[in-house]
Amino acid sequence: SAVISQKPSRDICQRGTSLTIQCQVDSQVTMMFWYRQQPGQSLTLIATANQGSEATYESGFVIDKFPISRPNLTFSTLTVSNMSPEDSSIYLCSVDPWGAGELFFGEGSRLTVL
Amino acid sequence: RKEVEQDPGPFNVPEGATVAFNCTYSNSASQSFFWYRQDCRKEPKLLMSVYSSGNEDGRFTAQLNRASQYISLLIRDSKLSDSATYLCVVGMDNYGQNFVFGPGTRLSVLP
Repeated sequence: SAVISQKPSRDICQRGTSLTIQCQVDSQVTMMFWYRQQPGQSLTLIATANQGSEATYESGFVIDKFPISRPNLTFSTLTVSNMSPEDSSIYLCSVDPWGAGELFFGEGSRLTVL
Repeated sequence: RKEVEQDPGPFNVPEGATVAFNCTYSNSASQSFFWYRQDCRKEPKLLMSVYSSGNEDGRFTAQLNRASQYISLLIRDSKLSDSATYLCVVGMDNYGQNFVFGPGTRLSVLP
């Protein structure tokens, strides 16, 4: 399995500010995925972070709003920029270490924007 | 039409009951199918992959019908610990970047 540490686990932020979420994996992985889970809803992929190249964003998500860094094969950050209450959600980091379809998730970062 | 749809739930069943969840997907080119389990306020975890021939893991049985674009999950002899949300996940391949998560079906097993 893969062990993923994600922080912060939760935060309460003021609108207009930005928050960076960190994700550390205990093994080297090619791709790291960032998901959003809005209250009472399922998971939506925000972007895929590849080491050494720009992240690939899904429809409806843009780099200016969700900049991502991937400095090495075990670490990534997701920033939620210029936050509004609509950004209140759980953000999850995920990896598929063997490319076999088994995703391992971090415990998530629960963000509340006031 | 949503890409992956599931029974809306919630399902409230007594211990020992058998319960079945259904999932349909819209993209006929989908190649990989999974059931994930998400406990309250926790991250999702893989329950089982779903193969064309169907597969069974203890009390859990998953079936795939490609012609009807339909996936099912059967839980026999429900336990209190089975209470969770069950997420149907469909992928264009086996790589996580092409996975689509269904909205989930919540199960509560009652004593």
